[in-house]
Amino acid sequence: DAGVTQSPTHLIKTRGQQVTLRCSPKSGHDTVSWYQQALGQGPQFIFQYYEEEERQRGNFPDRFSGHQFPNYSSELNVNALLLGDSALYLCASSATRQETQYFGPGTRLLVL
Amino acid sequence: EDKVVQSPLSLVVHEGDTVTLNCSYEVTNFRSLLWYKQEKKAPTFLFMLTSSGIEKKSGRLSSILDKKELFSILNITATQTGDSAVYLCAVVRSGTYKYIFGTGTRLKVLA
Repeated sequence: DAGVTQSPTHLIKTRGQQVTLRCSPKSGHDTVSWYQQALGQGPQFIFQYYEEEERQRGNFPDRFSGHQFPNYSSELNVNALLLGDSALYLCASSATRQETQYFGPGTRLLVL
Repeated sequence: EDKVVQSPLSLVVHEGDTVTLNCSYEVTNFRSLLWYKQEKKAPTFLFMLTSSGIEKKSGRLSSILDKKELFSILNITATQTGDSAVYLCAVVRSGTYKYIFGTGTRLKVLA
């Protein structure tokens, strides 16, 4: 049973560029959440997707957007990248009515 | 504003020692508290504590929740080098889906 998978594992971009990160949830899970983890900090909630809709959003600008597909996989898009967007981006999945979120290995984004 | 504070920020112990990690929170309408272990990248789930489950144990790890004093502790007995990791505490509010994380405690266990 595959756990949460994310791609790519690493990414280097320059300021102003756009990036798309991908996540496949754990088998049987239908909800996907995205978090940003800066070095030495705890993860910060970006948003959560359920039934292909953004269900809740954290304090992130509109440059951060997402999508969930019918197979429950999800994408995180970040436009107009800033140096401060450099971080580990974690995807977490969960099942309806179950609170525990299971995390993927993350995508480490470096913005130069 | 919701706040989750973990202490200490870092800790170095020797194999066989017992450690206690702390997590205090100020969150409106608390629903649950979760502990994760993060070794390289992916945080792995350890425990979830709620009003109906304020004490959990798994092997050498145990955790309790004090809803009155608004804190939780994670105990690790007979530590091993494999316990070296960052331990994250997260709190969930009722009616929301997001986890509010603390900054974590970095534990290093020396052989």
